[in-house]
Amino acid sequence: GQNIDQPTEMTATEGAIVQINCTYQTSGFNGLFWYQQHAGEAPTFLSYNVLDGLEEKGRFSSFLSRSKGYSYLLLKELQMKDSASYLCAVSPRAGGTSYGKLTFGQGTILTVHP
Amino acid sequence: GAVVSQHPSRVICKSGTSVKIECRSLDFQATTMFWYRQFPKQSLMLMATSNEGSKATYEQGVEKDKFLINHASLTLSTLTVTSAHPEDSSFYICSARPQENEAFFGQGTRLTVV
Repeated sequence: GQNIDQPTEMTATEGAIVQINCTYQTSGFNGLFWYQQHAGEAPTFLSYNVLDGLEEKGRFSSFLSRSKGYSYLLLKELQMKDSASYLCAVSPRAGGTSYGKLTFGQGTILTVHP
Repeated sequence: GAVVSQHPSRVICKSGTSVKIECRSLDFQATTMFWYRQFPKQSLMLMATSNEGSKATYEQGVEKDKFLINHASLTLSTLTVTSAHPEDSSFYICSARPQENEAFFGQGTRLTVV
């Protein structure tokens, strides 16, 4: 089975740094994705990790530890527009038609205050 | 970059009618596409895997006769909600994974059944 956990809500101040954690227990693992989703819109791809370590992309960074089943998304220099839901999603191992299938966590609603 | 296009973005239909939603990969071929559903304040739940040239694979609890999926070409998958009821009102989103480190979503379709 698949179990992915994220905090439900977080708040932070404009200009600050926030870390959103994600833990997972899945029957297979072929990569972890982070998405940003604004209300009423489709998710937007942020990052992908398949190997342990930190991936940095501008203000956003994502970290993965496969042995711990743990990832985090780090947002720096927060802006008001970063207020959104952040979704952690795991791709199971196995090829064929399972390739591309994602299991999502419940999402973390981030609110950035002035 | 790779783009997944979904149409329509919003549809209102009467109870008992059918609605077709299209998902296209614009600059890559997708032998497999995925259909998700998202209820308000909830995360994305995978409904089915659309396989080009063969039958779709449905997740447990999803009625295959109600949610008809056709993947007739390498760039187009369609989801038809048949005999729609108000409880089918939701946000439907398709996705495709053009390569290992990317998984993109369409814009989503907001279905309201009245």
